[in-house]
Amino acid sequence: GEDVEQSLFLSVREGDSSVINCTYTDSSSTYLYWYKQEPGAGLQLLTYIFSNMDMKQDQRLTVLLNKKDKHLSLRIADTQTGDSAIYFCAESPLSGGYQKVTFGTGTKLQVIP
Amino acid sequence: ETGVTQTPRHLVMGMTNKKSLKCEQHLGHNAMYWYKQSAKKPLELMFVYSLEERVENNSVPSRFSPECPNSSHLFLHLHTLQPEDSALYLCASSHSGSYNEQFFGPGTRLTVL
Repeated sequence: GEDVEQSLFLSVREGDSSVINCTYTDSSSTYLYWYKQEPGAGLQLLTYIFSNMDMKQDQRLTVLLNKKDKHLSLRIADTQTGDSAIYFCAESPLSGGYQKVTFGTGTKLQVIP
Repeated sequence: ETGVTQTPRHLVMGMTNKKSLKCEQHLGHNAMYWYKQSAKKPLELMFVYSLEERVENNSVPSRFSPECPNSSHLFLHLHTLQPEDSALYLCASSHSGSYNEQFFGPGTRLTVL
């Protein structure tokens, strides 16, 4: 079945860039996502990329997709303490109906002041 | 109320109890989801309802019983749970379609004694 893997923990200093990596196995993945979960809250979509793209930038966030290696990364520039959260990588195939999304374990990002 | 709400936020129950988790969405979506979030494990999709019909049941034990009386409400009925069922249970909703963002509730933290 589909599998999404990511490291469990990342620690960075405030002001540095953070890079969170993810690998996935499903070659039919069409949409790849990054979700953010703050303490005591549910997941919130940060950004997504369509599989025919290799990069997407949105303010401090840059998503890179290497489809050949099935590798997705999220770069957060000028990381702030408010960026401390769990970041989930996820993928889903193209579907005309409901959205079956496969999530990773989440990477806990700790930002040190 | 806006977005996706879940009640209760915290629940402690014994193995012989029967309880229910409630989810409500105020977004006009037509698909609703139950996920289980456990530490160091990928987010697990449990059930999906699309247009009030169950379309996904990912080998979930029968001690978990979902109910979707209408497109705005989703329940998870619990009975004779095991301690390993302790986790954060997240509800989400979305529009059906090729791509649609899932909106998550804050979750119910369940502890089974």
